[in-house]
Amino acid sequence: ETGVTQSPTHLIKTRGQQVTLRCSSQSGHNTVSWYQQALGQGPQFIFQYYREEENGRGNFPPRFSGLQFPNYSSELNVNALELDDSALYLCASSQSLTGSTDTQYFGPGTRLTVL
Amino acid sequence: GEDVEQSLFLSVREGDSSVINCTYTDSSSTYLYWYKQEPGAGLQLLTYIFSNMDMKQDQRLTVLLNKKDKHLSLRIADTQTGDSAIYFCAERGDYGQNFVFGPGTRLSVLP
Repeated sequence: ETGVTQSPTHLIKTRGQQVTLRCSSQSGHNTVSWYQQALGQGPQFIFQYYREEENGRGNFPPRFSGLQFPNYSSELNVNALELDDSALYLCASSQSLTGSTDTQYFGPGTRLTVL
Repeated sequence: GEDVEQSLFLSVREGDSSVINCTYTDSSSTYLYWYKQEPGAGLQLLTYIFSNMDMKQDQRLTVLLNKKDKHLSLRIADTQTGDSAIYFCAERGDYGQNFVFGPGTRLSVLP
């Protein structure tokens, strides 16, 4: 069983650019959530995808968007990058089963630096 | 909305017990979680507790839950230098399966 993987591991962009981050969910998981973790803080929920549809969104502007594919892998896209977007972006996958622990398993993250 | 609070720092000596505390606001949380994050890494699930339990033990880890006070704690027995990391408490949020995390407690284990 493979765990959650993310690519790239590190990325440097300049203000105003666009970025795409990728995530492969753990085998058997159909739900993917994305989190932003700024330095020294806990992860903040961006949005969640379940069976290719957005299933909830945190307090992030529309320039943060996502996709989930039929194989349940996912992308996070951020347009018009700002300096404050510099953070570790974490992807987490889970099984959507009634009565489950809904435990989320996290990938290693993508470290985005915006200059 | 939900809010999760933790103390930010804890230092213990190797071999002692560590107790990391957390308070949360959402009384409807079904499960509460502890995650560990080592430098430069993602989050590793340590343990979780169902809201109808008071205590859960898993090897060196003991989780205590006081639902009345909305207080959760993680005790690590015989703390080792490899336990040095940031520990996050999390509860389930409003959107189903998203988690609301605390700010993390940085545990430093001194030799």
